[in-house]
Amino acid sequence: DSGVTQTPKHLITATGQRVTLRCSPRSGDLSVYWYQQSLDQGLQFLIQYYNGEERAKGNILERFSAQQFPDLHSELNLSSLELGDSALYFCASSADPFTEEAFFGQGTRLTVV
Amino acid sequence: AQKVTQAQTEISVVEKEDVTLDCVYETRDTTYYLFWYKQPPSGELVFLIRRNSFDEQNEISGRYSWNFQKSTSSFNFTITASQVVDSAVYFCALSLLGMRFGAGTRLTVKP
Repeated sequence: DSGVTQTPKHLITATGQRVTLRCSPRSGDLSVYWYQQSLDQGLQFLIQYYNGEERAKGNILERFSAQQFPDLHSELNLSSLELGDSALYFCASSADPFTEEAFFGQGTRLTVV
Repeated sequence: AQKVTQAQTEISVVEKEDVTLDCVYETRDTTYYLFWYKQPPSGELVFLIRRNSFDEQNEISGRYSWNFQKSTSSFNFTITASQVVDSAVYFCALSLLGMRFGAGTRLTVKP
């Protein structure tokens, strides 16, 4: 168990809808990262937050947004969903954004139908 | 640009064979971190090792060993005496403000 908790584990929704994925980092970790794993794109970094502030952005679509709350949990919001957004979404956390290994949650499998 | 290349898409070995997974990376930064992760069929990403760019010492952990060579920008992973439980997809990653993952190598160990 990595200590990173993601909910829900599975999500099925229709095209055009909006969903929210939730991540609770390991106790004490200030940095949260979101990744998307799809068959065609592989594992891609989406965005990083550190202590509530956005720190780095990767290949995140404009339809997607994230935030990190004062209690350090994070949410990834996906809107106007398309079939191609079906993927496994991982959250990871680390104490230090530069040096610590990132521990990954179990992932949320999103299926858009 | 930062890039990680895992040229081996799939490898199949018989139990007890040694196997090496290759990883080549590109970065212009002098300070960076390299990682290996294992993704078993259940889907989670299991952390295996982190290495920073200033530490070129090879590392051994049980049946696992890693060979970091800055001169060739490679960070290869060897499993000695492979076991069926080693069957998984293995990812190499380069970290600097978010990880850049390679495409992964699917390792199948047959009994």
